Amino acid sequence: AQSVTQLDSHVSVSEGTPVLLRCNYSSSYSPSLFWYVQHPNKGLQLLLKYTSAATLVKGINGFEAEFKKSETSFHLTKPSAHMSDAAEYFCVVSDRRAGGSYIPTFGRGTSLIVHP
Amino acid sequence: NAGVMQNPRHLVRRRGQEARLRCSPMKGHSHVYWYRQLPEEGLKFMVYLQKENIIDESGMPKERFSAEFPKEGPSILRIQQVVRGDSAAYFCASSPPGQGGDTQYFGPGTRLTVL
Repeated sequence: AQSVTQLDSHVSVSEGTPVLLRCNYSSSYSPSLFWYVQHPNKGLQLLLKYTSAATLVKGINGFEAEFKKSETSFHLTKPSAHMSDAAEYFCVVSDRRAGGSYIPTFGRGTSLIVHP
Repeated sequence: NAGVMQNPRHLVRRRGQEARLRCSPMKGHSHVYWYRQLPEEGLKFMVYLQKENIIDESGMPKERFSAEFPKEGPSILRIQQVVRGDSAAYFCASSPPGQGGDTQYFGPGTRLTVL
């Protein structure tokens, strides 16, 4: 069975400072891992995706994440926060099931607060 | 290429009424997924459909909920005899054929309020 733990429910940073959103996962096989962002009352937007290629994945808006198998982690980082980054972020793990389909499991989300 | 479309965006129902939520996938996408998001929680998978087939409904409540994806037209999530606990945001996602849903594209959601 797969599961995702987002270690912080809220992260607060000042504009221009680095962002770190932590995610640990468990999975039976080699999973696909994703980060999505959700702005208030909006749908989810894919930030980045890991699928067993390079362990450092670059996404949109300056975000990147590093897959560390030994630590079962997939933390999301950004060197410098912008006010527009304030949103809810979801870490997602997706295993391929026996029938060939992917059914993702979402973390509970981390709310990123950016102070001016 | 239009994204995933959902309507209505907001839906208010009284207890005991029926709610119908619609999802039009991205052009060329034949896989549709429905999720429910309760306040301050992540999305919970409900059902995975392909055209005219339910592939995986392991997340669907056993009663009152049903979903379909007909050959023509949008996918429909139907909730009969709604109760207050059904109040949530319902998201639809689609993916192209051949990937099994590895990468999904989400709609803006329908926010259901049950009075």
